[in-house]
Amino acid sequence: ETGVTQSPTHLIKTRGQQVTLRCSSQSGHNTVSWYQQALGQGPQFIFQYYREEENGRGNFPPRFSGLQFPNYSSELNVNALELDDSALYLCASSFGHPGQGNTEAFFGQGTRLTVV
Amino acid sequence: GNSVTQMEGPVTLSEEAFLTINCTYTATGYPSLFWYVQYPGEGLQLLLKATKADDKGSNKGFEATYRKETTSFHLEKGSVQVSDSAVYFCALNSGGSNYKLTFGKGTLLTVNP
Repeated sequence: ETGVTQSPTHLIKTRGQQVTLRCSSQSGHNTVSWYQQALGQGPQFIFQYYREEENGRGNFPPRFSGLQFPNYSSELNVNALELDDSALYLCASSFGHPGQGNTEAFFGQGTRLTVV
Repeated sequence: GNSVTQMEGPVTLSEEAFLTINCTYTATGYPSLFWYVQYPGEGLQLLLKATKADDKGSNKGFEATYRKETTSFHLEKGSVQVSDSAVYFCALNSGGSNYKLTFGKGTLLTVNP
């Protein structure tokens, strides 16, 4: 059983550019969520995908968008990068209906994005 | 909305000391509660969880009890080790239509030999 893997592990972008981060879910998991973790803070929920459809979104602007593919892997896209987008981006996958409150989420190691 | 408040860090202890990290929450309904741990340079790992009032979650010597009356989920360990040095996050999921975790800001624990 493979875990959640994210790529790349580190990335440096210039303000105004666009970035795509990738996540491969744990085998058999049909739900993926993305979180932003600023330095010294707890992760903040960006959005979630369940069976290829967006299923909930946090307080992030539309320039943060995502996709989930039929194999349940996922992408996070950020357009028009700002300096404040610098953070660790975490992907988490889980199995079952997202409404199950006690489902365990498995996290990847994250992608460290630096915007200069 | 939902929120989680954790004890401010950093916390520095000697090996074999007793650990408590306080966590209180505000949520609608009956949330599930979690403690996650983040080792340097890594993602989050689930440490323990509790899904209803008075449940006790435990793992690797760590324990936390879901106290609905005080809306708390304090993390404890009787004897910490150097290898426990990490950042600890308290989190909740209040259910509903999506599985969204709300995290506290994290508490950095350093254990010295």
